[in-house]
Formats: sequence, C-alpha cells, structure tokens
Amino acid sequence: KAGVTQTPRYLIKTRGQQVTLSCSPISGHRSVSWYQQTPGQGLQFLFEYFSETQRNKGNFPGRFSGRQFSNSRSEMNVSTLELGDSALYLCASRQGAATNEKLFFGSGTQLSVL
Amino acid sequence: GNSVTQMEGPVTLSEEAFLTINCTYTATGYPSLFWYVQYPGEGLQLLLKATKADDKGSNKGFEATYRKETTSFHLEKGSVQVSDSAVYFCALKTGANNLFFGTGTRLTVIP
Repeated sequence: KAGVTQTPRYLIKTRGQQVTLSCSPISGHRSVSWYQQTPGQGLQFLFEYFSETQRNKGNFPGRFSGRQFSNSRSEMNVSTLELGDSALYLCASRQGAATNEKLFFGSGTQLSVL
Repeated sequence: GNSVTQMEGPVTLSEEAFLTINCTYTATGYPSLFWYVQYPGEGLQLLLKATKADDKGSNKGFEATYRKETTSFHLEKGSVQVSDSAVYFCALKTGANNLFFGTGTRLTVIP
C-alpha cells in the first residue's frame, strides 16, 4: 500500500504569491490533516478534513485554507505569501475520524518564500 | 490551553550511551501522549504512545511513562545506535482530533 504522498517535494515562491500544495492519503483513509513545521515554532496544526468537510482548524490566519475532494485527496492553499510562511508542510492521514486512530505522515513539502 | 515543552537540542551522544529527552505538558482534560520520530528526509512516524496516567509506551528500545503528577512524558533509551539519529517530537492530543507538538529535539549519535 502506498504511503501518504505529498507534491511537490520542494517549492520556491516570492512574497505576495500564492501556493497550492497537494496531499494524497493512504488508500481508504478519509481523514487528512495538515501541519506546519518551522525551526522556531516546531510543528503546528493547521486543519483537518474528513469526508470533504473541515473538522478542526488551528490558529492560523485566513490566508491558509484547504479543501478535500471526494477521493479524499486534499489541497492546501496559502495566499499572499510572507517570508514567515517558509516551512515544511506535512500532511497526515488516518482511516476514520476516531481520536485513537494512528496518523500516517507524508514526507512533506518544503516551501521557501523569498 | 494545551502545550508541550521539550528539551532543546541538539543532543549528541556516543553509540551505546543512555538517552533521555525531557518532555512536559500542559493540557485541559486527560490527554494522550506521543513521541514521534522524523528521520532525515522522511515524514513523521509514531514511535510510541500512552493514553492514560502511569501507562508506559515502548518501541524499538525506547520507553516513556505517562506521569500525571509531574505532567511529564520523558523519552529514554538505554543504549542508542547511530541509526537512532533523528529529530524527536513529543506531542499530546486531547478530545479533538489534532496533535500539539513540542519543537523537536535533534539527536545525533556518533560511532
């Protein structure tokens, strides 16, 4: 079974641009979560989607948004990029919505904002 | 609120040395506690977990005990190997479906 796949692996953008990151969960998984990893802040939760609906949202500005498609694939969008948005963005999937289910992480998309 | 504080790195140890990475937490309710590991170039992997007080999680020679009285979940390993070199994240989860992570501790094990 393929793991969680994130594309692209690396991305370079400039301030003010927007970016879309993609995540394909493990086949059969319906929940997808997004996390931002920075050296200073560590890992922070962005949002979670389940069956195309956003279930939880972290403490990030409205420039960060996401969506989930009927095949459970998810995209994350960041508009009006800022230098501080440079980070590794990790996607994680789980089969259902239960809190005790194991999360499987992708390798991440490294975003650099110049 | 919920937060996790873990020992700042980096930590450099010789092979077969004893490892401790400290982790303390603040949480509302009764959280589950986790240690995740991130090997170079890879995503996060769950290393071990404990879901209630006094539980001990263990995997690959690593252990951590959920201590409610000290709100701690320190990671330990008796004899580290070069292959243990990675970044280790302590995390907690409450009733909601999101994890709160510490800032990570980079471990380098030298032969």
